[in-house]
Order: sequence, then structure tokens, then C-alpha cells
Amino acid sequence: GAGVSQTPSNKVTEKGKYVELRCDPISGHTALYWYRQSLGQGPEFLIYFQGTGAADDSGLPNDRFFAVRPEGSVSTLKIQRTERGDSAVYLCASSLAGGQPQHFGDGTRLSIL
Amino acid sequence: QKEVEQDPGPLSVPEGAIVSLNCTYSNSAFQYFMWYRQYSRKGPELLMYTYSSGNKEDGRFTAQVDKSSKYISLFIRDSQPSDSATYLCAMRPGAGSYQLTFGKGTKLSVIP
Repeated sequence: GAGVSQTPSNKVTEKGKYVELRCDPISGHTALYWYRQSLGQGPEFLIYFQGTGAADDSGLPNDRFFAVRPEGSVSTLKIQRTERGDSAVYLCASSLAGGQPQHFGDGTRLSIL
Repeated sequence: QKEVEQDPGPLSVPEGAIVSLNCTYSNSAFQYFMWYRQYSRKGPELLMYTYSSGNKEDGRFTAQVDKSSKYISLFIRDSQPSDSATYLCAMRPGAGSYQLTFGKGTKLSVIP
């Protein structure tokens, strides 16, 4: 079956711009997670959704980062006033329910010039 | 000190060798332990998922967890060139906290 789908696969934008990254989870998965992976590092947790609500947003680095999941399926990660330090691969994962094994998409490679 | 320590390698072995990868951690609350494989420019792929201490085997892969030593291992038998990838350990506490904490990953090359 289809895995986690993330679009775009690559995004290049200028410092100060706004970006939106989309994640389409595995069908039937109620839990959705966002992580950020910098070069040479493991993924770092950003936010976890159970259904439509953000159950844990403790990993969001600051208020420029925001994520939504309005219908409990597709999620969008939004970054305002981008900075060069935001450059990373943004990974989305989903699981059948919270606490179940997490399955990752291939990520969006974000580059801020 | 990071919560999860993992030697980044690189690790290079001949085809057919047994590979041993490991992580140490400091947070005694961790209860669930995972190993992911990540190919270049791809997302992490779940290989092994274990709860608490003990061993788990799946084909050529064996995961071991020793909570008393805060040490986890992944063994790969009869390694193949297709096993060449970065291996990430990940872990999380018990119920109620679902965020994974990852190691940096170990880059493995299996030479034909």
C-alpha cells in the first residue's frame, strides 16, 4: 500500500519567506508526527498529532513554526519568516495510533538562501 | 551529554561479515527501542521495534536491549552490499510520550 507522502520533495526559498510543507499519512493512521533532520544528525521531534489536535508540540523551536491537521488526515507544517538555520530535511511519520511504530516519508529538503 | 549516543562511523565491512551497531542512552525512562535504516536522500525505514530488555530476531537482523546497562545493539548477519546505509537507533518513554529520540546514526558500507 501507499506509504507516507510528502510534498514538495525539495523547496528552495529566500530568507524571510513563508513556506508550507505537506504530509499525507498512511491511510487509516490516526497519529502523525513531524521531525527535522539536519545534515549528519538524527531526526529531532517537532510535533505530534492525534486526530485533528496537536497532542504534543514541545519540539517546535519557536513561534515561527506552526502545524495543522484540520481533518485528521493531511497535515501542513508552516514556517514564517524563514531563516538560514531552518535549512534541513523535514520528515513526517504516521502510526496506526499513538505509541504504535512510526513510519516515515522521504521528507522535504528545505533550503533557505 | 546527549540523551542518545551513537558512533557515527563510518563502518566498512566485507560482504558476508557480521555487523554490530550500538547505542547508549542516559534516560532511564526509555522503554521502547527501535532501529531504522536510512538510505541516502530517503526517509528512515523501520527495521526493529522492541519493548524493554531482551532479544528480538527478524531474518538476518537481531536487536538486543540491556536496560541495566542502558545499551542497545543491532546485529546484521551475512551482510550484503544492499545493507549499505545509515542505521539510526531511536527510543521513547512509555505510554503518554510518543516522541522518538534518535542517535546520530552510523554509516555502514558493505564491500562486495
